[in-house]
Amino acid sequence: DIQMTQSPSSLSASVGDRVTISCRASQSIGSYVSWFQQKPGKAPKLLIYAASSLSGVPSRFSGSGSGTDFTLTISSLQPEDFATYYCQQTHSSPYSFGQGTKVEIK
Amino acid sequence: QLQLQESGPGLVKPSQTLSLTCTVSHGSISNGVYYWTWIRQYPGKGLEWIGHIYYTGITSYHPSLKSRLTMSQDTSKNQFSLKVTSMTAADTAVYYCARGNPNSSGWGIYFDFWGQGAPVTVSS
Repeated sequence: DIQMTQSPSSLSASVGDRVTISCRASQSIGSYVSWFQQKPGKAPKLLIYAASSLSGVPSRFSGSGSGTDFTLTISSLQPEDFATYYCQQTHSSPYSFGQGTKVEIK
Repeated sequence: QLQLQESGPGLVKPSQTLSLTCTVSHGSISNGVYYWTWIRQYPGKGLEWIGHIYYTGITSYHPSLKSRLTMSQDTSKNQFSLKVTSMTAADTAVYYCARGNPNSSGWGIYFDFWGQGAPVTVSS
């Protein structure tokens, strides 16, 4: 199975900050990575698929990477962006997730 | 907009079978090329893909759960279902149904619509 390792596990940031979250796959997975945002008590919400394609979310969100290293960037953090973020590989079954990164208010 | 809604018991006794149903509205599970999927989230927040049923009825299961899983669909009711046998405390989680949408490249999928989640506790 492919393992997805996210870093950091949590971070503190202020409104307006640029935030970067990393995800590393245990083997090459092309560009088959999705990123999700989850708020307490809610289902994960798709932000980005195929590493860099936005799913109807604001353009301050962007994704990059291929092979084993991937990045989610929030260019200017907004109050509604404080949440937990997960990466997921969909290159091959079982489609595994990273352990999550909690973005907290500084 | 497509909506998914899970239904089932919130409490299951150890060794019993969990049965969950996902009802899809504002879209048909038999139209298109989608993968109707189950994902669970443990209390510690880790997410695990459980498996999916393709619109053709073909299934794919997580290898670690395969011997305990059955997925099915009822196109007349626009529903798909999950059964997990021999439940233990380790299966306590929130169970989500979701739609898997194939990438336009022809490889990989992404999960674009999710239900609100059904919490399931395994306890006597």
